[in-house]
Amino acid sequence: EVQLVESGGGLVQPGGSLRLSCAAFGFTFSNYNMNWVRQAPGKGLEWVSYISISSSTIKFADSVKGRFTISRDNAKNSLYLQMNSLRAEDTAVYYCAREGKQQPWDWGQGTLVTVSS
Amino acid sequence: QAVVTQEPSLTVSPGGTVTLTCGSSTGGVTSGHYPYWFQQKAGQAPRTLIYDTSKKHSWTPARFSGSLLGGKAALTLSGAQPEDEAEYYCLLSYSGPRVFGGGTKLTVL
Repeated sequence: EVQLVESGGGLVQPGGSLRLSCAAFGFTFSNYNMNWVRQAPGKGLEWVSYISISSSTIKFADSVKGRFTISRDNAKNSLYLQMNSLRAEDTAVYYCAREGKQQPWDWGQGTLVTVSS
Repeated sequence: QAVVTQEPSLTVSPGGTVTLTCGSSTGGVTSGHYPYWFQQKAGQAPRTLIYDTSKKHSWTPARFSGSLLGGKAALTLSGAQPEDEAEYYCLLSYSGPRVFGGGTKLTVL
């Protein structure tokens, strides 16, 4: 069974940093592209970042470009999101999602990030 | 980045048919955007309903179908059930960046 488990969320002050992790189980992690998606309280889904299988292609939404970094460790079956210079508007549930070529996305349950003083 | 548009809300009667659409600010939606449709119920993570325009996940009920219609991606629900009341999001790919629509809140009433 495919499982994606996010961790690392919490309360952080504006301007602070946080690193999210996503642990993958039940499939060959190195065969899938991965995404981070967030959802602010009461709002819609917002795509945040994409990383290809070999990390050769990385994309970011304009809203986080220059502040967030995405990475993966295929040996550890893990995806990461390093978030710097956090703002109140970054407050959201952050989901990791697996993306296979012409396959359905599979999602984790999310981890909540709250940016507040 | 592109803007993806969806109807903010729609209402369908039980047993009725409704079509949700997904448009792109850059022009017509094509199969090259690999349209996805996700369903999200309150307090739950999203899950894939439709991918690659019209393909169904193993769990997707037969009453849901995806297509391209009039330059947009479309999700049609035929024979709505109370459990279909949810938020529906489309996702389009733009040669790298992915963009979600704002979501359609579907009410079955």
